[in-house]
Amino acid sequence: ETGVTQTPRHLVMGMTNKKSLKCEQHLGHNAMYWYKQSAKKPLELMFVYNFKEQTENNSVPSRFSPECPNSSHLFLHLHTLQPEDSALYLCASSQEEGGAATEAFFGQGTRLTVV
Amino acid sequence: TQLLEQSPQFLSIQEGENLTVYCNSSSVFSSLQWYRQEPGEGPVLLVTVVTGGEVKKLKRLTFQFGDARKDSSLHITAAQPGDTGLYLCASRLYLDQAGTALIFGKGTTLSVSS
Repeated sequence: ETGVTQTPRHLVMGMTNKKSLKCEQHLGHNAMYWYKQSAKKPLELMFVYNFKEQTENNSVPSRFSPECPNSSHLFLHLHTLQPEDSALYLCASSQEEGGAATEAFFGQGTRLTVV
Repeated sequence: TQLLEQSPQFLSIQEGENLTVYCNSSSVFSSLQWYRQEPGEGPVLLVTVVTGGEVKKLKRLTFQFGDARKDSSLHITAAQPGDTGLYLCASRLYLDQAGTALIFGKGTTLSVSS
């Protein structure tokens, strides 16, 4: 138990569906992140939220839409995805303090399959 | 964006063997972290190194940060099946606006068989 919880753990969706991934952190951290992990590729940073404000959108297609209603919750809304979007989506949180090297705590991820 | 190159990509060894995995970049790291990820789980932090030449030990794991802070290595002594997993190195990316984020190498997949 890392203090970061992701739901669902597994998701299969058609290309025309709309679904959302949820992440919740119980660590009191001020920053949250979405990463995508595909086979043969490094963990790719998608979005960064610092104090609930989106500070980074790493050239992610608009079919992925993040939402951060408060510092403890992060969502990733999905619509009209492509099969190549199938991957493990990981949420992480950390306590950002002036750029110091802090630890990132990850959830267990959502294994997404687009059919 | 600095790239983190990890090698080898895959490593399959017998229990009791020693091994070393590497993380390299053409850029200087302000700090570097090593994470381990087991199947079905997210990455978990093993260590953070900050000072060039620094060596840190975590039981049978020894982490070394290069003098120039461009490379790092992870050495495992007498590997055990429980060491099986994906070993990732990560460095901190400073964002245009306030805050930072971690970027990762592709990782080394280690399999230790008994």
